[in-house]
Amino acid sequence: GQNIDQPTEMTATEGAIVQINCTYQTSGFNGLFWYQQHAGEAPTFLSYNVLDGLEEKGRFSSFLSRSKGYSYLLLKELQMKDSASYLCAVTNQAGTALIFGKGTTLSVSS
Amino acid sequence: KAGVTQTPRYLIKTRGQQVTLSCSPISGHRSVSWYQQTPGQGLQFLFEYFSETQRNKGNFPGRFSGRQFSNSRSEMNVSTLELGDSALYLCASRTGPPRDTEAFFGQGTRLTVV
Repeated sequence: GQNIDQPTEMTATEGAIVQINCTYQTSGFNGLFWYQQHAGEAPTFLSYNVLDGLEEKGRFSSFLSRSKGYSYLLLKELQMKDSASYLCAVTNQAGTALIFGKGTTLSVSS
Repeated sequence: KAGVTQTPRYLIKTRGQQVTLSCSPISGHRSVSWYQQTPGQGLQFLFEYFSETQRNKGNFPGRFSGRQFSNSRSEMNVSTLELGDSALYLCASRTGPPRDTEAFFGQGTRLTVV
């Protein structure tokens, strides 16, 4: 099966950098996804890592270490609109569906 | 290109009743997954369908069931509703093999059981 751990809550201030960690255990790895979910809205895709290393996409970057079962999402130049829940997900063993962690609620203050 | 459409958006049901939720995936996507989201448990995987076949099922009781039609639209059904079934039910679509994509989510159906 899959086991995914993320911190429950994080706080940061506007303009700062925050790193949201995710550790996972899975019997079959086919990639790691990060999603953002604002309150009352659907999750939206942020990034996908299948190989080790850093993927940069504007203010957001995602890192993966498959040997350590570890990923992080790095958010730079934080804005108030970045206040949301950030969900880490891996595919199930068959690769047919995404299994999510419980998410990290990020609060950005001015 | 239309996104994932879920209907209805809101539902209020009484304990013991049953409910059917609908999901129309993005055109061309053949994989549909269903999730239950509650504040304490996050997004929990219910089941996934591809080409009208359930390929995977999460750890939910048999009261939760689903199906997929030939046009890839999917429905999920919950029978004998319990108060604890109150949640946001999300549907996600992916292309399916051979080259799967990230999952795209619908806006969800908010189910309240009273």
